Amino acid sequence: AQRVTQPEKLLSVFKGAPVELKCNYSYSGSPELFWYVQYSRQRLQLLLRHISRESIKGFTADLNKGETSFHLKKPFAQEEDSAMYYCALKRSYNTDKLIFGTGTRLQVFP
Amino acid sequence: EPEVTQTPSHQVTQMGQEVILRCVPISNHLYFYWYRQILGQKVEFLVSFYNNEISEKSEIFDDQFSVERPDGSNFTLKIRSTKLEDSAMYFCASSDPKKQGGLETQYFGPGTRLLVL
Repeated sequence: AQRVTQPEKLLSVFKGAPVELKCNYSYSGSPELFWYVQYSRQRLQLLLRHISRESIKGFTADLNKGETSFHLKKPFAQEEDSAMYYCALKRSYNTDKLIFGTGTRLQVFP
Repeated sequence: EPEVTQTPSHQVTQMGQEVILRCVPISNHLYFYWYRQILGQKVEFLVSFYNNEISEKSEIFDDQFSVERPDGSNFTLKIRSTKLEDSAMYFCASSDPKKQGGLETQYFGPGTRLLVL
C-alpha cells in the first residue's frame, strides 16, 4: 500500500535559520510527489511538485528515489513561512487521488 | 483567480441525520474529489468523480455516502445517516489537467467542518 510519512508534527525555528521538513514515502511504482501548504485560516494550496524542479517562495524539494524521500528545504526561514505543510503522493502523473502525510507544523519565531 | 467554494462552512447535526455538503468546483474543471480530515489526523481520500461517474472510492466511502453533480456547477457529498465518527473537515477539490499542461493540480476548497452529536 502507498504511504507518506512525515515524522515531525512540529518544527520550530528562528527567522533566518535553515529549515528541512522531512517526507518519506512507500510506493513500488513511479509516483508524483507534492508539497501542499495550509496557512492559518486558508485553504490547502500546492506549494511545489517534484516534476517541476522549481523553487517556490525559496523552498525546494528533491525526489530521492533511493531513499524514497522528498524533503522540503529552505535556507533561510521567514516568519510568513509559518504554516502546516503536507507531503502528498500520487501513484501516477495522470489524474489520481492524493495520498497525504500527517503534516508538519512549521513555526518560525522572530 | 477562480476558487473552489464550499457550503456551509460549518454544520452541526444529530447522529442519524442526513447531511449534504456542497461544492462549486472551478468552472470548466472536469475532475472532482472529496477528502476528509478528522481532527488531528491526515487528510484522507474519499472519492473521485469524472464524466458523471465515480472513478475511485476509498474504504471509507461506504453505502452511507453518495456524490452527485446535479447541474453544471455543483458537486455534492451526501451522508445518509451520520455517525459520530463522521465528524471531520470535508474538502472538495477539482482539476483540469488539459489546462495545466497535462499535469494535474488539485485545487482545494476551504472545507466544511461537520460535527455530529
